[in-house]
Amino acid sequence: GQNIDQPTEMTATEGAIVQINCTYQTSGFNGLFWYQQHAGEAPTFLSYNVLDGLEEKGRFSSFLSRSKGYSYLLLKELQMKDSASYLCAVRAPSGGYQKVTFGTGTKLQVIP
Amino acid sequence: DADVTQTPRNRITKTGKRIMLECSQTKGHDRMYWYRQDPGLGLRLIYYSFDVKDINKGEISDGYSVSRQAQAKFSLSLESAIPNQTALYFCATSEVHNYGYTFGSGTRLTVV
Repeated sequence: GQNIDQPTEMTATEGAIVQINCTYQTSGFNGLFWYQQHAGEAPTFLSYNVLDGLEEKGRFSSFLSRSKGYSYLLLKELQMKDSASYLCAVRAPSGGYQKVTFGTGTKLQVIP
Repeated sequence: DADVTQTPRNRITKTGKRIMLECSQTKGHDRMYWYRQDPGLGLRLIYYSFDVKDINKGEISDGYSVSRQAQAKFSLSLESAIPNQTALYFCATSEVHNYGYTFGSGTRLTVV
């Protein structure tokens, strides 16, 4: 089976840096995604990591350690519009299919 | 126009009624998916299709059926709606070798 854990809620201050952690236990591994989802809206793709290390994309960075079953999403220079849920998702083989399993999401509130 | 369009956006229906949720895409992607999202449970896969002749059950397919009418269209049906099918439903697409999903705006379904 697959299990993904991330904190339910976080609060951070505008202009600051926040790190959202994700741990996973899966049978096999073929990549980890991060999505952003504003309330009542569709998730939007942020990043995809398949190899260990840090991927940087503007204010957002994503890190992966396959040996530890661990990833984090780093958001720099926080803006009010970054208030959203952040979903961690893992891709792993399952019955001949590359199944993507989503975590329950971390709701981030950015305060002034 | 949106790349992935879902209709309706909101729907209230009575227990026992048949309802169809529709999804169409202009991305040209072969792969299409139906997910439901419930508070505290994350996104869960209902059905997926890798091409017009390929339909597969996801983790929670009981009570649902799908039809892939064309490469661009993938509809989800609830044959006899029940209250615990009240949820936010998302259609998503992906390319074969680009693993990130593009989600539709969602359908908020309430079964009373």
